[in-house]
This record gives sequence, structure tokens and C-alpha cells, in this order.
Amino acid sequence: SAVISQKPSRDICQRGTSLTIQCQVDSQVTMMFWYRQQPGQSLTLIATANQGSEATYESGFVIDKFPISRPNLTFSTLTVSNMSPEDSSIYLCSVLLLKPNTEAFFGQGTRLTVV
Amino acid sequence: AQTVTQSQPEMSVQEAETVTLSCTYDTSESDYYLFWYKQPPSRQMILVIRQEAYKQQNATENRFSVNFQKAAKSFSLKISDSQLGDAAMYFCAYRSARPGPGGGADGLTFGKGTHLIIQP
Repeated sequence: SAVISQKPSRDICQRGTSLTIQCQVDSQVTMMFWYRQQPGQSLTLIATANQGSEATYESGFVIDKFPISRPNLTFSTLTVSNMSPEDSSIYLCSVLLLKPNTEAFFGQGTRLTVV
Repeated sequence: AQTVTQSQPEMSVQEAETVTLSCTYDTSESDYYLFWYKQPPSRQMILVIRQEAYKQQNATENRFSVNFQKAAKSFSLKISDSQLGDAAMYFCAYRSARPGPGGGADGLTFGKGTHLIIQP
């Protein structure tokens, strides 16, 4: 299994500013992801955080808005840039383990409110 | 691209009764994984049950079982002897067994969720 610590757990930010969310895993993992969960909605994959190379973004998400760092196999950050109220969501870090069974583990999420 | 559909935004069941949550998905792949995740108000995503598409036998975890119909692309979750602690959002999710160019995403594709209410 994997234990994920995500910080901050919540924040209220002014529009136009940026927030960086940190994700720390208790073991080395290859596959790490960032998801967005808008109020009352499902989880949408933002990007795959690749160690040593640029993140792979899903359709609708761009690096300028959501820059991601992955300096090693246990840590990643997601920055939400130039925030607007539409960015108010829960952002979740996740890792995928393939052994012994394919299973995704999640952090507790960061609840972001933009005012 | 794969899609996951949960047609029941909300379900309500009496404590100790049985409830079934529906999930259908669309894919052109033959090898994949399906999951049910539970999200209580704490926001923590918890794996309830997993099914590998190559396995014909339906997965079971204590009071939780699935009805996996591969041809129909259906993956329903049955919760027996419902307990108050089962109240949560339930998400059905899909993951390709062979992600990458020409295949599915590396991450999971989620349905919109079903809010399960347990009536005492």
C-alpha cells in the first residue's frame, strides 16, 4: 500500500494569485497523478507527474495554468496559477501501484476556495 | 476515449437492507480494470472492490460484491446488510491495462458518482 500526505488540506486564496500543493508518498512510486474534483462532481485527471521529465497533461489542462514538478519518486507539487473563482475545487494527489494488485491510493485532498 | 456512466445520482436504503449501485462503461479495449471507490465526507478515497476484466468470476469483499457483465459493459456494486458507515459517495472507475499512445490514460477515469444514504 501507499500512504500519501498532501499539504495544505485547505486554503482560501485571492484571485490572481497562485497556490502550490505538495504531495509526499511514503515509498517510491513510478506513477503519480493529480486530479481535480469540482464541487459536487467527480474526479477529473489533470496530469501524470513524470519523474525527471515534463508532466503529461490531459485534454483541457495546460502547463501554464497547472505547472507540476516531480523531482523524485516520492514527491510532487501542483501549482494552480493565476487563480479565478472557477478554480475552486478539491485537488487530489494519487499514486498507482501495479503489484501485488493494480490499485490507486489517494491523498486527502486540498480544498481550494478562490475569492 | 473511455467513459464511465453512473445513472443514479442518489440512492437511499434502510439499514441492514441490500442496495445495488449501477455503472456502465464504454471502451474498445479487452483488457482493463474496474473499481468502486468510496468517498465519505472526510474526502478520503477508499477502494471498495476491484475487478480484472480477464476474470470471469465476480469479485467479492465481505458485504460488497459486483456483477460484472463484460459483454454488456456493466459493473454494478451490491452492498449487503447496509450499515450507517456505508453512507458516502461511491465512484465507479476504469483503468486500461495497456495505457499509453493508442491506449487508455495512465490514470483512472471516474463516473459522476452515486450518493448513498443509509436510513436508520
